[in-house]
Amino acid sequence: DTAVSQTPKYLVTQMGNDKSIKCEQNLGHDTMYWYKQDSKKFLKIMFSYNNKELIINETVPNRFSPKSPDKAHLNLHINSLELGDSAVYFCASSLKGQGGTEAFFGQGTRLTVV
Amino acid sequence: DAKTTQPPSMDCAEGRAANLPCNHSTISGNEYVYWYRQIHSQGPQYIIHGLKNNETNEMASLIITEDRKSSTLILPHATLRDTAVYYCIVRTSYDKVIFGPGTSLSVIP
Repeated sequence: DTAVSQTPKYLVTQMGNDKSIKCEQNLGHDTMYWYKQDSKKFLKIMFSYNNKELIINETVPNRFSPKSPDKAHLNLHINSLELGDSAVYFCASSLKGQGGTEAFFGQGTRLTVV
Repeated sequence: DAKTTQPPSMDCAEGRAANLPCNHSTISGNEYVYWYRQIHSQGPQYIIHGLKNNETNEMASLIITEDRKSSTLILPHATLRDTAVYYCIVRTSYDKVIFGPGTSLSVIP
């Protein structure tokens, strides 16, 4: 069973369109994240949700709107797509609490805006 | 910003031990040292983490200095499949995972 799954794996779309990426985790984690990895390969955090509540928004344009219907899901909706949005988007989840806990990542969604 | 510094790249001969260093001189007492790797453009993969003591699992060993200001990830017998970017991260379980540029490890036949 896949711990953190994202759909779709590839997404090609035209500028100006609106698209969504879905993420689900079956690990019972309470915290989920979205990361963006651009062509320079830097992984940058975009959002973090804990128990369905937004706790981190790293100066991401408001065209990006995360939605967490429950603890196991964190979807990313992007309005008015721009060329610069082309990147690989990774979803991740972890469990907050005492002690060290690792984060698990999905396999990524490669978004290409043309 | 990432709280760690790592060499940008390293080479290792196949079958030899790969020793990847990481400096984290400002680490706090409640922060753990985590290592992840990213093979090609796959999702980052957790490797190991530790607080003070050295740790070992089926993938690697983590050696943390006594003052906790640096650590070394050891892949005991590197294979070609270990070629990846390796990220050293310090955080508590309450913190977000912040990635630096990492070390690009090339395992050479």
